[in-house]
Amino acid sequence: DADVTQTPRNRITKTGKRIMLECSQTKGHDRMYWYRQDPGLGLRLIYYSFDVKDINKGEISDGYSVSRQAQAKFSLSLESAIPNQTALYFCATSDPGQGAEDTQYFGPGTRLTVL
Amino acid sequence: AQKITQTQPGMFVQEKEAVTLDCTYDTSDPSYGLFWYKQPSSGEMIFLIYQGSYDQQNATEGRYSLNFQKARKSANLVISASQLGDSAMYFCAMREGRYGNQFYFGTGTSLTVIP
Repeated sequence: DADVTQTPRNRITKTGKRIMLECSQTKGHDRMYWYRQDPGLGLRLIYYSFDVKDINKGEISDGYSVSRQAQAKFSLSLESAIPNQTALYFCATSDPGQGAEDTQYFGPGTRLTVL
Repeated sequence: AQKITQTQPGMFVQEKEAVTLDCTYDTSDPSYGLFWYKQPSSGEMIFLIYQGSYDQQNATEGRYSLNFQKARKSANLVISASQLGDSAMYFCAMREGRYGNQFYFGTGTSLTVIP
């Protein structure tokens, strides 16, 4: 089984709808992240959380909100989806306790289309 | 200024040949980590290799090696003996600070391995 899972894997929605993307991990990592990927722009950080009580905005948080329900679960919400939020969304986890690497491990991605 | 710069949007390499993917970075923090990820057409992000700023030797992982030139602020990925399965997007990323809270990604290089 995958260590980092995302649901749904694909979603098509309409402008103005509220949508939630979910991420779960079995790696036991404290740190979790949400990114979006757009063609030609690489990955950009939306929100990150270092533990259940810690939520931080990333580079492009406007229009998004998150919830860290448990160490293993980190959800991303689009309160009122708009077409320019059409993108590939990734959840990632990391564990600084593993040493200086603090490598991020990614889920399979959610492809979101807003019509 | 861009934290991570990948100047090669697309690269081609003959099967079994070696290829170098360029990455330069920008930081004033003496402690940082450099990462390479592979993204095949299926979309997942696969961690390949890590180099810490204090590491004296270049990192190697199987056919992957990282040519770390600290003074030039470059962290090029070298893939030896290219295989058809190496065809993918490759992203360079940096974490600033020993346990920095953000990763910065480049825009990626698309590698195509020619039979």
